[in-house]
Amino acid sequence: EPEVTQTPSHQVTQMGQEVILRCVPISNHLYFYWYRQILGQKVEFLVSFYNNEISEKSEIFDDQFSVERPDGSNFTLKIRSTKLEDSAMYFCASLQGSYEQYFGPGTRLTVT
Amino acid sequence: EDQVTQSPEALRLQEGESSSLNCSYTVSGLRGLFWYRQDPGKGPEFLFTLYSAGEEKEKERLKATLTKKESFLHITAPKPEDSATYLCGGYQKVTFGTGTKLQVIP
Repeated sequence: EPEVTQTPSHQVTQMGQEVILRCVPISNHLYFYWYRQILGQKVEFLVSFYNNEISEKSEIFDDQFSVERPDGSNFTLKIRSTKLEDSAMYFCASLQGSYEQYFGPGTRLTVT
Repeated sequence: EDQVTQSPEALRLQEGESSSLNCSYTVSGLRGLFWYRQDPGKGPEFLFTLYSAGEEKEKERLKATLTKKESFLHITAPKPEDSATYLCGGYQKVTFGTGTKLQVIP
């Protein structure tokens, strides 16, 4: 069964450093998403991406964040200068055309 | 502001004891209401999307229903493997609720 994959599973970085989180969505899916979940809190929408551009973003997704689909398979989330409050689980999701999103296993980001 | 509120926050059931989880929403221009299951340390797993009041969907021991203001996830004769956090939310701007943590005791 096709699945969304994410790497790394855990990333530890120092405050102020740049991080890139990677996702490989399901191959025939057209819409891609990033979410974050701070420990013990709800899943929060960050950004959606379609046709090689951002289709929607939340207030959380400020100038420190960017997304890219550098090739036909990868979908990345970059945080330019990490802050302590960026520590969270980051989930990638993709969907084909219905509202059934498939989530990846997540990347746990720890900023020290 | 779009809001999704789930209740209860936590629910403990004996195996076989049926119950319902509630999701009330104020999402302007709602295009669909979804339910996901999330196990600890994992990504959410899709269960249902409901699109219009009166719609119902079923999957194994789960049934989701939708009215104009709220949705219910009914769990019939739950088993321990149904223990998870159940998330609901709305599609317009994707908004998740805080979830109901369900524990089913053998």
